[in-house]
Amino acid sequence: GQNIDQPTEMTATEGAIVQINCTYQTSGFNGLFWYQQHAGEAPTFLSYNVLDGLEEKGRFSSFLSRSKGYSYLLLKELQMKDSASYLCAGIDSNYQLIWGAGTKLIIKP
Amino acid sequence: IAGITQAPTSQILAAGRRMTLRCTQDMRHNAMYWYRQDLGLGLRLIHYSNTAGTTGKGEVPDGYSVSRANTDDFPLTLASAVPSQTSVYFCASSESGGRGKLFFGSGTQLSVL
Repeated sequence: GQNIDQPTEMTATEGAIVQINCTYQTSGFNGLFWYQQHAGEAPTFLSYNVLDGLEEKGRFSSFLSRSKGYSYLLLKELQMKDSASYLCAGIDSNYQLIWGAGTKLIIKP
Repeated sequence: IAGITQAPTSQILAAGRRMTLRCTQDMRHNAMYWYRQDLGLGLRLIHYSNTAGTTGKGEVPDGYSVSRANTDDFPLTLASAVPSQTSVYFCASSESGGRGKLFFGSGTQLSVL
């Protein structure tokens, strides 16, 4: 079956760095998305990876290893506004999205 | 620029009633989707449409129907609501189907009693 695994909840301190991991098993692979979702709001796009390596966008970076079926989202210089859920979604061979349940990130002062 | 507009924002519905959730986009995206989001389960695809005039079933289509008469509108209908359909419903669109990032509406909180 197809599956996306990510931790349910993580806690980090303001100003620190946090890494949110995602492992995937999909029938074929056509890329992986990360979305951010604040409580009570809609998900918003953060990043897309289809090739191995690190993609950096300001304080946020996303990494992909296709051979390991693994991705992570790296958040630097954490701010209180980064408290949110982070959703990992893989694209299978039929270009269907397989969603993880999301990681709730709690930032403490 | 509105993006995707969903209505209503929230609704309390008696079991057995019919309900249509509305979704309109102004980005001229070909692909549109309906998801439900339940605590601990993540987003689950209900129905999708790759282009106007076509629709397809997602992971959890039972009890729901959709239509795509034009590019902009993608309503979701619950023919006879049941309590297990209590959820947050998100409509989304994408310029290029599964290859493209999704733009989400603000969601509809539906409670079926």
